[in-house]
Amino acid sequence: EIVLTQSPATLSLSPGERATLSCRASQSVSSSLAWYQQKPGQPPRLLIYDASNRATGIPARFSGSGSGTGFTLTISALEPDDFAIYYCQQRTFGGGTKVEIK
Amino acid sequence: QVQLVQSGAEVKKPGASVKVSCKTSGYTFTGYYIHWVRQAPGQGLEWMGWINSNSGGTNFVQKFRDRVTVTRDTSISTAYMELNRLTSDDTAVYYCARDRGGWLFDSWGQGTPVTVSS
Repeated sequence: EIVLTQSPATLSLSPGERATLSCRASQSVSSSLAWYQQKPGQPPRLLIYDASNRATGIPARFSGSGSGTGFTLTISALEPDDFAIYYCQQRTFGGGTKVEIK
Repeated sequence: QVQLVQSGAEVKKPGASVKVSCKTSGYTFTGYYIHWVRQAPGQGLEWMGWINSNSGGTNFVQKFRDRVTVTRDTSISTAYMELNRLTSDDTAVYYCARDRGGWLFDSWGQGTPVTVSS
């Protein structure tokens, strides 16, 4: 079973700042990695698939990169609606990174 | 549009069973797998397993295999997940999600809170 480790657990930033979230896989997953956003009381929403492709309707400020065992989700300039928990997924899910307002 | 609508909140006693439904619409039900994911209070997402909506075949994580039953009724485009022998550790929000292919969950139900308490 592939284990996904996300870091940091919490990211405290201000609106307009750049967010960089990391996901590391215990073994290579090629480019088969997705990112989801979850807000309180809501189900997750698919943001990025195949490491770097934005899902339908996802703003361009969200971008993904990486392959093999190391992946990054970048939010270029945080908007108030972006403060949420982000999960990476390759079958199972990583532990999540909470992006909170500083 | 694609919609997955789950049944309502449940409160169960330890040892009981719970059955959660996931009614889909807006797409061809038999063309997509349905996955089940749960989230304990304040915790992350835990993938449980899937059902092939066409064949009815299933695959669940070992920890659930001996106490979960997942079925589907293609005539009403609905999937069901029944979890038996509940303990307090099963207290969670249970989600169904459509797999668009390649384990990508592009549509989710709203979640069904299940509370297990004596």
